[in-house]
Amino acid sequence: AQSVAQPEDQVNVAEGNPLTVKCTYSVSGNPYLFWYVQYPNRGLQFLLKYITGDNLVKGSYGFEAEFNKSQTSFHLKKPSALVSDSALYFCAVRAWGRGSTLGRLYFGRGTQLTVWP
Amino acid sequence: GAGVSQSPRYKVTKRGQDVALRCDPISGHVSLYWYRQALGQGPEFLTYFNYEAQQDKSGLPNDRFSAERPEGSISTLTIQRTEQRDSAMYRCASSLAPPSQGSYEQYFGPGTRLTVT
Repeated sequence: AQSVAQPEDQVNVAEGNPLTVKCTYSVSGNPYLFWYVQYPNRGLQFLLKYITGDNLVKGSYGFEAEFNKSQTSFHLKKPSALVSDSALYFCAVRAWGRGSTLGRLYFGRGTQLTVWP
Repeated sequence: GAGVSQSPRYKVTKRGQDVALRCDPISGHVSLYWYRQALGQGPEFLTYFNYEAQQDKSGLPNDRFSAERPEGSISTLTIQRTEQRDSAMYRCASSLAPPSQGSYEQYFGPGTRLTVT
């Protein structure tokens, strides 16, 4: 069965400091991994994805994520946080291959990131 | 371009009433997905379509929930005889191509907040 864990409900960081939002996953077979961000009263916005290849994936707004197969992790990172990065972040996974259940994304519970000035 | 749109954005209904939630995907997107998100949780998969064909409905919680996409574009999620436990944010997403064809990300709409009183 597929699942995602985001071990931290909240992450607080000062503006200008690096940030990390953690995610670990469990999937049968190879994973597609995604990060989404949710701002208040808005839908989830796609940030980046891992398919295969380079373990470091770059995405929107200066975010990047590091895939670690041995640790089954896909942590979201940014070298220098901005106050405007404050939002709710979701990690998601789905398996690739064939089958009727391929469409479903499995989401973590989300991590609230707060960047203070 | 226009993103995924959902209507209504807010719906308050009395227990026992039927509700219909509408999703208009990004133009040209083949696949459409429905998720439900409870407060403090990540989105949970309900069902998805490729064109007009429903591919996986195993996430629908019971037979009061149904979905259709008759012309392969707009989709309606219907909940019959609503109960208070159905109160949640219902999110729709679309992707350019079917998940079996690759890692296509899902683009989410703003959601419909359903409250059953």
